[in-house]
Amino acid sequence: DAGVTQSPTHLIKTRGQQVTLRCSPKSGHDTVSWYQQALGQGPQFIFQYYEEEERQRGNFPDRFSGHQFPNYSSELNVNALLLGDSALYLCASSRRGQGALSGNTIYFGEGSWLTVV
Amino acid sequence: SQKIEQNSEALNIQEGKTATLTCNYTNYSPAYLQWYRQDPGRGPVFLLLIRENEKEKRKERLKVTFDTTLKQSLFHITASQPADSATYLCALYMGRRALTFGSGTRLQVQP
Repeated sequence: DAGVTQSPTHLIKTRGQQVTLRCSPKSGHDTVSWYQQALGQGPQFIFQYYEEEERQRGNFPDRFSGHQFPNYSSELNVNALLLGDSALYLCASSRRGQGALSGNTIYFGEGSWLTVV
Repeated sequence: SQKIEQNSEALNIQEGKTATLTCNYTNYSPAYLQWYRQDPGRGPVFLLLIRENEKEKRKERLKVTFDTTLKQSLFHITASQPADSATYLCALYMGRRALTFGSGTRLQVQP
């Protein structure tokens, strides 16, 4: 049973460019959340998708957008990249109704390392 | 907004000793508090969850306490091993669906 898979694992972009990161949730999970983790910091919540809609959003600008597909996989898009966007981007999956509020396990992927130069 | 404080200084202990990590939070008491382990370059791995009406939770060599009066959780690893060396993150639920994480405490267990 594959866990949460993310791609690419590492990438380097130039300031002003756009990037798309991808996530496939754990089998049986339908909810995907994205987090940004800067070096030495804890993950920060970007947004969560369920039923192909953004359900909750953290304190991130509109340059950060996402999408969820019918197979529950998800993409994170970041436009007009800034140097400060350099971070580890983590995808987490859970099962609706058995996730956060019920306290069940949330599974994280290994992340995508983004470096903006 | 909810803030979480974890000791940013690394904790160095000898193998076999008990490691104790602290998580303090402000504002409202959450219904749930979770602890995660994160190895360098890897995603966080869920360890334990404790509910607000639970004072203590155990799993093998791990123990978590939750004091809503002090707004504090303690995470203990007994009989620590070098393989326990990692960063440990405390997380609370923000809103209905998102986790708020502390910045983590790095634990180094010396053989």
